[in-house]
Amino acid sequence: EIVLTQSPGTLSLSPGERATLSCRASQSVSSSYLAWYQQKPGQAPRLLIYGASSRATGIPDRFSGSGSGTDFTLTISRLEPEDFAVYYCQQYGSSPGITFGQGTRLEIK
Amino acid sequence: QVQLVQSGAEVKKPGASVKVSCKASGYTFTSYGISWVRQAPGQGLEWMGWISAYNGNTNYAQKLQGRVTMTTDTSTSTAYMELRSLRSDDTAVYYCARDVYAVVVRYYYGMDVWGQGTTVTVSS
Repeated sequence: EIVLTQSPGTLSLSPGERATLSCRASQSVSSSYLAWYQQKPGQAPRLLIYGASSRATGIPDRFSGSGSGTDFTLTISRLEPEDFAVYYCQQYGSSPGITFGQGTRLEIK
Repeated sequence: QVQLVQSGAEVKKPGASVKVSCKASGYTFTSYGISWVRQAPGQGLEWMGWISAYNGNTNYAQKLQGRVTMTTDTSTSTAYMELRSLRSDDTAVYYCARDVYAVVVRYYYGMDVWGQGTTVTVSS
């Protein structure tokens, strides 16, 4: 099973700053199979990025994804108040299946 | 609009079973798969398994093999997840999500539509 490790666990930044979230895989992951989600308290997760770098429908362009192999990054160029949430990376695998990272909490400094 | 609507909260005793439903609308149900994801209180996301709404093929997370069954009813565009032999650590919010994988081009489009979540509490 591919293990995804996200860092940092918690990131404290101010609105307007740039956020860089990391996701490292225990073995190589196809870029076509890497996604990112945002989750706010009491809400279901929301798809942000698929295919490592493609924004999902309706996602603002301040969100971007990059990376390949075992290292992937989610960048939020200028933080808005509504961006403070928990972010998860996820990889798709047919066998043994899908795995999520443990999450990065983005909090207001 | 495209949406998934889940059944209501459940309280179960240890050893019992729970069956959660997920009704799809606004899209062709059989053209996509459904993944089930759960989240224990204060914890991260855990993938439970996937079912093809086209042909009923399933893929379950190894740790839940033997305790979970996922099914669909195409006549009502509804997916179901049944979890048996419940334990206290099964207490969680359970989500269904439309899962989009393009087999021909081997490309994963992610879980793009989510249900509102169903809280399952296991307590004696």
